[in-house]
Amino acid sequence: QVQLVQSAAEVKKPGASVKVSCKSSGYTFTNYHMHWVRQAPGQGLEWMGIINPDNGGTRFAQRFRGRVTMTRDTSTSTDYMELHSLTSDDTAIYYCARDKSGNWCVDYWGQGSLVTVSS
Amino acid sequence: QSALTQPASVSGSPGQTITITCSGTNSDVGNYNYVSWYQQDPGKAPKLMIYYVTKRPSGVSNRFSGSKSGNTASLTISGLQADDEADYYCSSYTTSDRWVFGGGTKLTVL
Repeated sequence: QVQLVQSAAEVKKPGASVKVSCKSSGYTFTNYHMHWVRQAPGQGLEWMGIINPDNGGTRFAQRFRGRVTMTRDTSTSTDYMELHSLTSDDTAIYYCARDKSGNWCVDYWGQGSLVTVSS
Repeated sequence: QSALTQPASVSGSPGQTITITCSGTNSDVGNYNYVSWYQQDPGKAPKLMIYYVTKRPSGVSNRFSGSKSGNTASLTISGLQADDEADYYCSSYTTSDRWVFGGGTKLTVL
């Protein structure tokens, strides 16, 4: 069965960076793009970007361009999302989410990784 | 890219039919059929309910249906049940080769 297992919660200081991991199993890793979506406390879903695990190509939401990096390690079937220059507004649950075969929708989600930014 | 517009809240009684709308532009909802809907219970990851405007994933009840007219997509839930109470989000692909979500709608079953 498909599983996306994310890294544990983290607490970061303003100005720091955070790197969240997402390990996939139960399917061919390079066949499915991976989205990253975040959700601030009590707020809605916000799309951050997408990575093609086959060639590493990425696309980011305008507001995160220059501040986010998405990479993958095909040897371990793991995706990574790194967000830099953190502020308190970046406090959120970060989800990795598998794209449903080019349909621009998500069929499987990770359990979420809480990132708290606090001085 | 601005978020798609959804009503903040919708309510209905058990057995009723409700519709949640998702308004976009001709740069997203109006130009593509890559519209999907998600149900999110508190503290849980979202769950795909509808994709490609009208398609239902395996395992999703046929009480859930999707449609689109112009720049507005809709999610209809018939035979409302207590466990349908949740937050619902729409999403769409956009002309800038990006993805955007709606602000979310809280469904209350009275």
